[in-house]
Formats: sequence, C-alpha cells, structure tokens
Amino acid sequence: DTAVSQTPKYLVTQMGNDKSIKCEQNLGHDTMYWYKQDSKKFLKIMFSYNNKELIINETVPNRFSPKSPDKAHLNLHINSLELGDSAVYFCASSHWVGGLETQYFGPGTRLLVL
Amino acid sequence: LAKTTQPISMDSYEGQEVNITCSHNNIATNDYITWYQQFPSQGPRFIIQGYKTKVTNEVASLFIPADRKSSTLSLPRVSLSDTAVYYCLVGDRETGNQFYFGTGTSLTVIP
Repeated sequence: DTAVSQTPKYLVTQMGNDKSIKCEQNLGHDTMYWYKQDSKKFLKIMFSYNNKELIINETVPNRFSPKSPDKAHLNLHINSLELGDSAVYFCASSHWVGGLETQYFGPGTRLLVL
Repeated sequence: LAKTTQPISMDSYEGQEVNITCSHNNIATNDYITWYQQFPSQGPRFIIQGYKTKVTNEVASLFIPADRKSSTLSLPRVSLSDTAVYYCLVGDRETGNQFYFGTGTSLTVIP
C-alpha cells in the first residue's frame, strides 16, 4: 500500500565500504528524486530521473551513482563511504497537475558511517 | 529559481492560528509556490501550493499577494501534532525545477 518505499530503513557501515539504497514507487509517476538531509536538517537535491533518464545531477561526488532499472525504481549506490556521507537519504517521486508539481517522499534511509 | 527566506523557528499555543511567511523577492512570472511539512524521522509531506491569490484546502490556506514576492502559509487552530518543520519552495512551471528546499521553519506547538 505504501506509495514510496525505501530499503533499508537504517544502514550502519564502516568507512570505505560500498552500499546501496533502494527506492520503489507504486504511484505511476515518471519522475523520481534522491535527496540528502544532513544533521542540520538541510534537505539537498542529489539526482532526478524522468522515465529512467537522468535529468538532474547536482554537485555530488562521483562515488554516488543512481540507477533506474524502470520508472518505478530508483536505486542509489555509494562507493567508498566516508564519514561525511552520514545523513538521511530520501527518495521521492512526483507528478504534475495543471503545470504544478507535487512530490511524494519515502520514509528515508538513515545512513551512519563509522 | 528564486531564493526563499523563512523564519528559522516559531512557537504557538494550541488552538491558535499560525501564519508562516516565506519571502521570495526574485520570483519569476512562471514560478509557483509549494509548502511541505516534515515531522521528525519522516519524509516531507505536501501541504498546499499555488500561483497567485488564495488557495485553501482541508489542512491549510496559502495567501499570495499581488506582487508575489512573499507567501503566507496559514494553519488554523493548531494542535500539538502540527509541531513540525515547514518548507516553502518556489518551482518553475516551464523547467519543472522545484527541488530547492530552504532552511524551513521549525514550528513548536505548546500546550
């Protein structure tokens, strides 16, 4: 029933490891996003995909690689994890009505790098 | 996209009306405004959006003056469960860019 789901909910790992976060939406939306929210609660866009194509790639280290196998899924793979990667990562999908966009967010993945 | 400025925090007593104002002085003709609410440990949730004048839904009202350089989110008769962070975003109807969240306003509702 969940509209936008993410797995895992929590992720604790060591520096230098590689990890992936998965996101799925069952809303039929064409656009999906990844955001990073740091400890100061600042929510920053990382990537955006539209119909499986990357359309926005903000200034993000290339250790972060998004992959969209189909328009319902947008996964985030992170190589060589660093302490500064510790944050909450939110996935979102969106639709447009009357020229206005509404985003629907997942519950977040809390990543802690030790 | 226009930069947004909001108060960092606000307190209100239960049952009062709360108005949170967002400043967006450089808003462009095609830009629109959206407000999101975020509870602790959850993702942001859409509240309301509009382009001009006033919009009302079952949760809130959004007031946008004629010059559109600011907008005010109005929450009627807040309860403790309205304690959250409220974000104002400016979106571009042509490019679809509506993803720059500012610092948000942390609202605390006091019993």
